[in-house]
Amino acid sequence: DTGVSQDPRHKITKRGQNVTFRCDPISEHNRLYWYRQTLGQGPEFLTYFQNEAQLEKSRLLSDRFSAERPKGSFSTLEIQRTEQGDSAMYLCASSFAGGGETQYFGPGTRLLVL
Amino acid sequence: GNSVTQMEGPVTLSEEAFLTINCTYTATGYPSLFWYVQYPGEGLQLLLKATKADDKGSNKGFEATYRKETTSFHLEKGSVQVSDSAVYFCALSGGAGGTSYGKLTFGQGTILTVHP
Repeated sequence: DTGVSQDPRHKITKRGQNVTFRCDPISEHNRLYWYRQTLGQGPEFLTYFQNEAQLEKSRLLSDRFSAERPKGSFSTLEIQRTEQGDSAMYLCASSFAGGGETQYFGPGTRLLVL
Repeated sequence: GNSVTQMEGPVTLSEEAFLTINCTYTATGYPSLFWYVQYPGEGLQLLLKATKADDKGSNKGFEATYRKETTSFHLEKGSVQVSDSAVYFCALSGGAGGTSYGKLTFGQGTILTVHP
């Protein structure tokens, strides 16, 4: 079991640039979640997929954010025209629907927007 | 909507002391409740969970009981170790209908430091 992996682990970008993060879930998991965590706070839900379908999006996910899971396996989260307020840890988690909803988290991608 | 409130932190204890971290929640229906732990430099790990009222989750000496009457899920450990130093998050999923089922709602986290 390789667990959930995320790439890159760290990203520094300038305001206005676009960034893309990748998440590889546990292979047999059909649900995939994205969360955002800022310093001193708990993670906040952004969006989730069941297989390739995006089933729910938070109001936190502005139109600059887009997520995809094209083949129901890995997922990407893109932020366009980054702002300093986007600086945070972006967490990915996966679970097996019907498996008690235990979510397994990746190590996260830390984004710093200068 | 759903919400989780954790006790204010940080918490500093001596080794072998008793630990309680309070967690209360707001949700309709019957959510599942979780405690996650984040050790320094590591990702979030599930510590324990309970899926229905009066269930007790336990792991690594930690326990929490799902109390629907008080909407609480307090984390306890009888004798903490230095290696328990971490950030602890209470979370819930479900309980408010199909649109929110699956996603986790987290508390703000409690930093625990255990001294030798």
